[in-house]
Amino acid sequence: DVVMTQSPLSLPVTLGQPASISCKCSQSLVYSDGNTYLTWFLQRPGQSPRRLIYKVSNRDSWVPDRFSGSGSGTDFTLKISRVEAEDVGVYYCMQGTHWPRTFGQGTKVEIK
Amino acid sequence: EVQVLESGGGLVQPGGSLRLSCAASGLTFSNYGLSWVRQAPGKGLEWVSAITVGGNSYYADSVKGRFTISRDKFKNTLYLQMNSLRAEDTAIYYCVRGISGPDYWGQGTLVTVSS
Repeated sequence: DVVMTQSPLSLPVTLGQPASISCKCSQSLVYSDGNTYLTWFLQRPGQSPRRLIYKVSNRDSWVPDRFSGSGSGTDFTLKISRVEAEDVGVYYCMQGTHWPRTFGQGTKVEIK
Repeated sequence: EVQVLESGGGLVQPGGSLRLSCAASGLTFSNYGLSWVRQAPGKGLEWVSAITVGGNSYYADSVKGRFTISRDKFKNTLYLQMNSLRAEDTAIYYCVRGISGPDYWGQGTLVTVSS
């Protein structure tokens, strides 16, 4: 199985400051169709997860442009340029290239 | 309004069975692969099973041979038949549209396996 390793697991941030989460995979996520199926989700407290970014760097329509995704192959990063209070929650990466699908352990973002 | 609604969760004894259902309104399931993802209390997300548009199914090793995923395209509904349930299957089960980068998630249904 593809192991997804997120770091850090806990991320206290100051409002208005940047934040970055790493997701490293044990195998390349490049699929035979040329796409890389790496997805980021945010689970706010008490809510279901919600997709933020798909195929490495594509933001969903509800996602503000302070969020960005990057990376290739086995190393991926989610960045928040300026953290706001509504960004608090747990962030998960997920690979959709190999079976079985696998998630990272989650990174809990909180305000200092 | 777009909604994904799971049902069928509840309390079941170890070794028992449950069938989860998932219906969509305001969005279609028919042209998408579908998945089940679970979250044990206080834990992270665990992928459980998926079914493609063509009907091919995939399972996590932890549920293989015990769970069966199926879909009814005419009813726009997804199912998960869970047999031989164990305490470690206790979790919120989410129905999700998509298999490679799921977009819509339901609110989840809680399954508790306990005597």
